[in-house]
Amino acid sequence: ELKVEQNPLFLSMQEGKNYTIYCNYSTTSDRLYWYRQDPGKSLESLFVLLSNGAVKQEGRLMASLDTKARLSTLHITAAVHDLSATYFCAVVSLRNDMRFGAGTRLTVKP
Amino acid sequence: DVKVTQSSRYLVKRTGEKVFLECVQDMDHENMFWYRQDPGLGLRLIYFSYDVKMKEKGDIPEGYSVSREKKERFSLILESASTNQTSMYLCASRMRLAAYNEQFFGPGTRLTVL
Repeated sequence: ELKVEQNPLFLSMQEGKNYTIYCNYSTTSDRLYWYRQDPGKSLESLFVLLSNGAVKQEGRLMASLDTKARLSTLHITAAVHDLSATYFCAVVSLRNDMRFGAGTRLTVKP
Repeated sequence: DVKVTQSSRYLVKRTGEKVFLECVQDMDHENMFWYRQDPGLGLRLIYFSYDVKMKEKGDIPEGYSVSREKKERFSLILESASTNQTSMYLCASRMRLAAYNEQFFGPGTRLTVL
């Protein structure tokens, strides 16, 4: 059974600092997604990573995928308050349904 | 833009009531999904459907059923609501099962069972 683990679950950081969120998954998959969720809102797609070594960047966020290590990272550069949200990674299983990590609740403080 | 809508944003029901949650997507997606979201547990799949009248159990189907009579509509049914079904329910849709497509989410329904 595919399991997806994120860490940390809670992250409080100062504006301007860098940090990385990690996403490990237990079985082979070639598709990994990152989503953002603001309080009381639904999930918004950030990145879709489709192959080993894939790297995508949008603003201060950069996501990468290592399928051999079954690891994806979401790196935050020079954090700003607007990045405060919960971030989820998700992996597509062999049945082609999407399995989610527990989420990382990020708070960026001034 | 893909639009996934859910019938209610907030719902309060009593234990034992039958509850219907409706989801509609407007982009002709074959695949639709129902998740529940609880703090610290992420999103857990309840049921999904890859075609009209087709359904597959997810990780936590107990206490739920689904209906997909039309391609654009996927309903989640709580036959007899219980307090442990108090949760946020999210519907999602995706274009094709085997394709590298994004999954789009509805706004969610926050259900409280008293």
